[in-house]
Amino acid sequence: GIQVEQSPPDLILQEGANSTLRCNFSDSVNNLQWFHQNPWGQLINLFYIPSGTKQNGRLSATTVATERYSLLYISSSQTTDSGVYFCAVDTDYNQGGKLIFGQGTELSVKP
Amino acid sequence: GAVVSQHPSWVICKSGTSVKIECRSLDFQATTMFWYRQFPKQSLMLMATSNEGSKATYEQGVEKDKFLINHASLTLSTLTVTSAHPEDSSFYICSAQWGEQFFGPGTRLTVL
Repeated sequence: GIQVEQSPPDLILQEGANSTLRCNFSDSVNNLQWFHQNPWGQLINLFYIPSGTKQNGRLSATTVATERYSLLYISSSQTTDSGVYFCAVDTDYNQGGKLIFGQGTELSVKP
Repeated sequence: GAVVSQHPSWVICKSGTSVKIECRSLDFQATTMFWYRQFPKQSLMLMATSNEGSKATYEQGVEKDKFLINHASLTLSTLTVTSAHPEDSSFYICSAQWGEQFFGPGTRLTVL
């Protein structure tokens, strides 16, 4: 099956710093989503981005499907950005598809 | 929009009992819902795909007789953990498909 690898596994930042999280996948995908899991376990949808670039406030994401990777950029980080960031890919080319998750990047933003 | 709820948010039960977890899409209809399991400091692992009006599709290694899934309507899927044991203690998360997947807040199950 498809492999999804995220890097780095852990990241510690000072408030205000910028960061880039990477997600590599081993096969063609139908869709790709980025999530932030907060300390209470809730997954928050960040981006639905099978290809191209999207921006939402301080966050942006780029997926280069032909090269099988996606990047999540966090600018001017805040302590509330702390948590685990997951990318997940959907390889089902039929109606809807199950998501395969990477192992996540645990981000800690220090004040 | 695209809100998914789960109930209960946490449950403690005795070994051997059964526990039912509900997953509801509050403001959209979902033909397909998914159930995941997450152990501490680990990623989410898909357990099964739940399709409204049909039998669930279980991932390899997931016991279908232990984890009963029912998707009775376009807004409700339930997961029943039967004859729970301490090793079933985990964080269970559902999601509902509406274009992309939207996740519920999770249910923390502790089996004593």
